[in-house]
Amino acid sequence: QKEVEQNSGPLSVPEGAIASLNCTYSDRVSQSFFWYRQYSGKSPELIMSIYSNGDKEDGRFTAQLNKASQYVSLLIRDSQPSDSATYLCATSLGLGGTSYGKLTFGQGTILTVHP
Amino acid sequence: EAGVTQFPSHSVIEKGQTVTLRCDPISGHDNLYWYRRVMGKEIKFLLHFVKESKQDESGMPNNRFLAERTGGTYSTLKVQPAELEDSGVYFCASRPGGRIYGYTFGSGTRLTVV
Repeated sequence: QKEVEQNSGPLSVPEGAIASLNCTYSDRVSQSFFWYRQYSGKSPELIMSIYSNGDKEDGRFTAQLNKASQYVSLLIRDSQPSDSATYLCATSLGLGGTSYGKLTFGQGTILTVHP
Repeated sequence: EAGVTQFPSHSVIEKGQTVTLRCDPISGHDNLYWYRRVMGKEIKFLLHFVKESKQDESGMPNNRFLAERTGGTYSTLKVQPAELEDSGVYFCASRPGGRIYGYTFGSGTRLTVV
């Protein structure tokens, strides 16, 4: 079982729709959760971080975390063609220990927003 | 603020040769990380520096890989001798101390071993 699992897609949505990206993780002691966006040939760019159960909204993006279900999601409202990219889910362990700060990534979900 | 800089952006070398990748983190960032993505796989952790010290090198594949961070500033990752399976994109990332708010990644070095 992979530590962080994502549906690789591709996920195709029409412009203006809501894109829903999902991620599950296996390590229950994970404390920090991140969504990165990566355009082809570019570096991963942090778009959302979430640490507590519930929803966190930032503009058109909403991250949702459910630690009991070990599930993280990202919703993109009013999707635009410029949102077309690979979305990477990443987790990190809590404070302390030599692994602090190390990110564990999923394989990424390719999102295509078509006009 | 300048970002994380990596060079070269691309490198093509023959099997058995040596390659050195360089990363310049954001100024003042004590934490520096190396990651790698091989084709078709997820981005994987290689190692973590805090200033000039190796905090965690559990992800280093084998002893052909050597990472250094001179004076707690820039870092190099040397592969010697390179093998075909070392091909991939090597990312460097940095963050300040304290709670994790997410890293800033460099644009990566695409290494191709032929």
